[in-house]
Amino acid sequence: GNSVTQMEGPVTLSEEAFLTINCTYTATGYPSLFWYVQYPGEGLQLLLKATKADDKGSNKGFEATYRKETTSFHLEKGSVQVSDSAVYFCALVSGTGANNLFFGTGTRLTVIP
Amino acid sequence: DTGVSQDPRHKITKRGQNVTFRCDPISEHNRLYWYRQTLGQGPEFLTYFQNEAQLEKSRLLSDRFSAERPKGSFSTLEIQRTEQGDSAMYLCASSTIPGTAYGYTFGSGTRLTVV
Repeated sequence: GNSVTQMEGPVTLSEEAFLTINCTYTATGYPSLFWYVQYPGEGLQLLLKATKADDKGSNKGFEATYRKETTSFHLEKGSVQVSDSAVYFCALVSGTGANNLFFGTGTRLTVIP
Repeated sequence: DTGVSQDPRHKITKRGQNVTFRCDPISEHNRLYWYRQTLGQGPEFLTYFQNEAQLEKSRLLSDRFSAERPKGSFSTLEIQRTEQGDSAMYLCASSTIPGTAYGYTFGSGTRLTVV
């Protein structure tokens, strides 16, 4: 079946610190992988995506590389800002004709000045 | 087009009452999805439409839940005889075909509180 496992939070970092949020997955077929971000009181926003092995998704200083050999899609940012405080969700859509996203449980990030 | 719109943003209802939520997707998106998100969890798939056809329903969608998408445009999600366990954020998303290449655009959600 399909599942996504994220590192448990919450994660608290000082401004300008390096961020890693781990995500591993199991999937049938060849999944596409996503990171979504949810700011307080808002819906989900697509942060970045990768549709095949070794692809690197990037946006707003965040990066994640699709690693098929380790079934991972870890999110990284070199220098976080207070405005990055949010909940981050790893997700996948699996296989040809797949119809819906499977989400991890989310990781809450708080960045302090 | 301002994205996916959901209405209302918040709904408080008494147990046993019926509620209906509305979602207006991005106009050129063929697919529309409903998800439920409980506190501290990721969104869980409920159902999806391709144009006006409801093609898949999760077993999370009990008989008290019904969704429609008349004319393939906006969609409604109705919950009958609400229970406290229905309290959650209900998210709508839309996508083009194939959604896998472009991701899904989510609305801001409707937060339901059943008291």
